[in-house]
Amino acid sequence: AQSVTQLGSHVSVSEGALVLLRCNYSSSVPPYLFWYVQYPNQGLQLLLKYTSAATLVKGINGFEAEFKKSETSFHLTKPSAHMSDAAEYFCAVSNDYKLSFGAGTTVTVRA
Amino acid sequence: DAGVTQSPTHLIKTRGQQVTLRCSPKSGHDTVSWYQQALGQGPQFIFQYYEEEERQRGNFPDRFSGHQFPNYSSELNVNALLLGDSALYLCASSLANREVGTDTQYFGPGTRLTVL
Repeated sequence: AQSVTQLGSHVSVSEGALVLLRCNYSSSVPPYLFWYVQYPNQGLQLLLKYTSAATLVKGINGFEAEFKKSETSFHLTKPSAHMSDAAEYFCAVSNDYKLSFGAGTTVTVRA
Repeated sequence: DAGVTQSPTHLIKTRGQQVTLRCSPKSGHDTVSWYQQALGQGPQFIFQYYEEEERQRGNFPDRFSGHQFPNYSSELNVNALLLGDSALYLCASSLANREVGTDTQYFGPGTRLTVL
């Protein structure tokens, strides 16, 4: 079964600094990969998805992710962090009909 | 255009009781999936319903059951509640795609279940 691993359970960045969240996947076939964000006491909101059309995927709120097959990675980045980016971020891979999620990375933004 | 809606928002039950959670999919979607998210963890897949039938099931006991109605809405039922069933239950809807695994799932706000 396909799976994802998120490296780093907590990331702290200064406002205006680069946000980098790491996700590595394990798959024997080309995967469909997703990043979701979860704000406190809310459901999951789709940030972006990779479906093999382009290796660099742009999402909402200024986030983007790059699919690197050679590194089996799908890291999420944002050039300049905003206070509103404080949330939990989940990487997920599609497994037949279900999504398999990583453990999540909590982002805190320092003023 | 309404997104995925879930009810109730919060629920408190005691051990041994039964609970029913409800989900209405995003307009135009025909598939509903349910996930359990324990505190501090990523969501875990419970099952998916399509055409009123369970299409795939995760590693959850038979105490967890579901139903999909002709209007595509869905219910999640949990019997004989345990303390460990306390979690956020998320519903996600999607439009079934001919190529398996390519549909995008959109999540509702969740139902917070507390079992005492």
